[in-house]
Formats: sequence, structure tokens, C-alpha cells
Amino acid sequence: EADIYQTPRYLVIGTGKKITLECSQTMGHDKMYWYQQDPGMELHLIHYSYGVNSTEKGDLSSESTVSRIRTEHFPLTLESARPSHTSQYLCASSKRDISYNSPLHFGNGTRLTVT
Amino acid sequence: KNQVEQSPQSLIILEGKNCTLQCNYTVSPFSNLRWYKQDTGRGPVSLTIMTFSENTKSNGRYTATLDADTKQSSLHITASQLSDSASYICVVSDRGSTLGRLYFGRGTQLTVWP
Repeated sequence: EADIYQTPRYLVIGTGKKITLECSQTMGHDKMYWYQQDPGMELHLIHYSYGVNSTEKGDLSSESTVSRIRTEHFPLTLESARPSHTSQYLCASSKRDISYNSPLHFGNGTRLTVT
Repeated sequence: KNQVEQSPQSLIILEGKNCTLQCNYTVSPFSNLRWYKQDTGRGPVSLTIMTFSENTKSNGRYTATLDADTKQSSLHITASQLSDSASYICVVSDRGSTLGRLYFGRGTQLTVWP
């Protein structure tokens, strides 16, 4: 099963709060990704990292930030949560770049609700 | 515009029956096509990855086909089980640069009834 872990699984918070979604993997993968998924919709890439101290914004405009200080850890932070941030957030990792047929390994996600 | 379209949006079948899910894409240049299974409340799990030169790939009762000429793929599930109830997502990777990107379909929601 999954060697990539996300916490918390569920989070309900009020508007304006700062939150950090945790993601850790034990596979030693250099490539890590954050996706946002709404019901019935496709996954959208919001951040990615190709290694320690490397982070880039994805396709979907996001007010979140990420850091990659250790290979195994890729947390996502929202400085001031808003109701529009309500969504499922999925973390993933891969051994090689996806163009090399390297599978993505996903965590089980964090379901965020901002009231 | 690079897109991945899946059909049907949802499907209900009886346990033991076979079914086929469809995926059409316009992604170019093409690198590989993936099928993922996503159970409710879980992250997607990889079923198959196919490159341009592969027509068929199997993973147990799951068989994926790829026609790179028509840009179509299908996922065939044989002898369905209740545990096959999930969303099946088609994902296509391009190779427009040294760093590939993924294009996701919206998934087909499969429900298997006893």
C-alpha cells in the first residue's frame, strides 16, 4: 500500500486561519506534487518539487505556498484560509519525471472545509 | 488545446459482468497514458501505464488498450467485483519539454451492484 502519508485526513477551520497540510513519503522520491481535486472534476496541479530546495507553482492559481527542506517532506501552507479553498488536496510523489513512465504514488488526501 | 475526455461519466453494472471505459485525448506530443483507480476517500492508485508503442497492457482483471493513431484508450474490466466500485481516471502525459506534465480526465464513476 501507500508509502506516502498525508495529515490531517479531514480539517474544518474558520476563515482567516493559517493551516499547514502535511505530506511525507518514505520511498526516497525526488519528485513531489500537490494536486487539488473537487468532486467530479479533474485533478489540478498546484505545486511541484523536483528535489530539496526546489519548488514551482503548477497550473492552477493558488494562494498556498510549499517548502522542500527534506526529501521526504513536502508541506503545503495556506496563510489565510477562505471558503474558496474548500477542496480535497492530494499529495503525490514519483521516482523519475513523469515523461519517463514513472508512476505517481498518491497519498489519501486531506479534505479541507473552510467555514 | 490539450484535453482528456472520458465516457461514460458514470456506469452501473452487476457483479460478475464485464465493462469497458473510454478515454479520448488530444494531448500532443504524446508520452504515455495512464489509468488510475480512485476509491472513495482515497488517493488514486496506478493500474497501467502505456507508451506510444504499446497497444495493450493488463493488470489482473484490468486490461487497457491504446490506439495512438486515433488517440483513444479503453479500460476493460473482466468479471467485475464489488471492490471495483470506484472512479477510474485516464491521465495523459506529454513530452513537450524535459519535464513532462499530466492531463487528467474527470473520471468514470463505476458502481458494481450485487
